Amino acid sequence: DAGITQSPRHKVTETGTPVTLRCHQTENHRYMYWYRQDPGHGLRLIHYSYGVKDTDKGEVSDGYSVSRSKTEDFLLTLESATSSQTSVYFCAISNRDRSGNEQYFGPGTRLTVT
Amino acid sequence: QQQVKQSPQSLIVQKGGISIINCAYENTAFDYFPWYQQFPGKGPALLIAIRPDVSEKKEGRFTISFNKSAKQFSLHIMDSQPGDSATYFCAASIIGGGGNKLTFGTGTQLKVEL
Repeated sequence: DAGITQSPRHKVTETGTPVTLRCHQTENHRYMYWYRQDPGHGLRLIHYSYGVKDTDKGEVSDGYSVSRSKTEDFLLTLESATSSQTSVYFCAISNRDRSGNEQYFGPGTRLTVT
Repeated sequence: QQQVKQSPQSLIVQKGGISIINCAYENTAFDYFPWYQQFPGKGPALLIAIRPDVSEKKEGRFTISFNKSAKQFSLHIMDSQPGDSATYFCAASIIGGGGNKLTFGTGTQLKVEL
């Protein structure tokens, strides 16, 4: 998984509780991304980062926040988890490359909100 | 708005047959088209990618065909094997665009039967 780890790998939480997912990379790539994967929707971008402290919203950012204080770590926070946020979350990394925007994915975190 | 449409949603192919998955895009600024392969419980992995300056790219049993005028591209898996059973995602991107972002199709679940 291209030097990317995600923690936790599985989590069950209750509605209304805060949840933080961590993505850690050892590749020193500039860009980092958080996606959610749901049946019938493919991979949808939540937030992404283009450098330390530089982040921007993706297409499904409502209810999520992110932070990147170090190149290697990108955190995704659900301030108050809802059942609609039950999903599999993937982190990805990328570096600027004139030949293509190759992204490399982590192993995923399965989150269940009850 | 679904900028990359993928079909079929699922596909069953006999061992040794040809698997064909199609994608259509809307944004003519896209200039990088990767395909990802995902096995159950794993993150997506880059399989093969093409730029619009060529109409076909082949890597082993995997071929991308690209039709710029029709805004369509497809993945062909020759001599399909049971080990190819996975979910396949097409994607599109603008090289040098903000954040190296990818727009994904909704995925095709391929099953190769003996």
